[in-house]
Amino acid sequence: GAGVSQSPSNKVTEKGKDVELRCDPISGHTALYWYRQSLGQGLEFLIYFQGNSAPDKSGLPSDRFSAERTGGSVSTLTIQRTQQEDSAVYLCASRRGLEETQYFGPGTRLLVL
Amino acid sequence: DQQVKQNSPSLRVQEGRISILNCDYTNSMFDYFLWYKKYPAEGPTFLISISSIKDKNEDGRFTVFLNKSAKHLSLHIVPSQPGDSAVYFCAASGAMNRDDKIIFGKGTRLHILP
Repeated sequence: GAGVSQSPSNKVTEKGKDVELRCDPISGHTALYWYRQSLGQGLEFLIYFQGNSAPDKSGLPSDRFSAERTGGSVSTLTIQRTQQEDSAVYLCASRRGLEETQYFGPGTRLLVL
Repeated sequence: DQQVKQNSPSLRVQEGRISILNCDYTNSMFDYFLWYKKYPAEGPTFLISISSIKDKNEDGRFTVFLNKSAKHLSLHIVPSQPGDSAVYFCAASGAMNRDDKIIFGKGTRLHILP
C-alpha cells in the first residue's frame, strides 16, 4: 500500500525566501509529525497533529515556522524568510491512532543558499 | 537538554559478530522505547520496541534490553549482516497508549565489515 509521501524531494532556495513542504500521510492515520534532521544531528521534533486537537507546536524553532493540516490529511510545513541554518532534511511521519509505530516519509532535503 | 542520548556516533562490527547499540535517557516519565533504522536518502523505519513493563523484547536477530534503574537500553543484532549497515535511532515516549510525541536520539551509524 502507499506509504507517507513528501514533496518536493529536494528544494534549493535563497536566503530570505519562503518555502512550503508537503506531506501526504498514510490514509486513515490520524497522527502526523514533522521532524527535521540537520547535518550530524538526530531527529528534532517540530510539530505534531492529532485528529482535531490543537497541534503540539512545542518543537518549532521560531515563529518563521508554521504548519497546517487540512481536512485531517495533507500537511504543509511553511518556513518564512529562510535562513542558512534551516538547511536540513525535513521528515514527516504518520501513525494510526493509538498504535505507536510511526511511518516516515522519505523526507525533503532543503538547502538554503 | 537531550532527553535521549546515543553517545556513540558510529560503530564498526565484523560480519557475523554481535552489534550492540546503546542508548541512555534522562526522563523517568518515558515508558515506551523504540529503535528505528535509517538508510541514506530514506525515512527511518521502525525496527523494534519495548515497554517499561518488560526488560527484554526479541524479534529474530534483534533484541532490545531495557534497564529502567539505569535508564539505559540497548539493541543487540546477532549475527550482524551487511544489510544492517545503517543509522540506528533510539527513541522514547511518555505513554504507550496515549498520543504523545516521540523523542529521538542523534543516532549511531553502524558499519558491518565484510
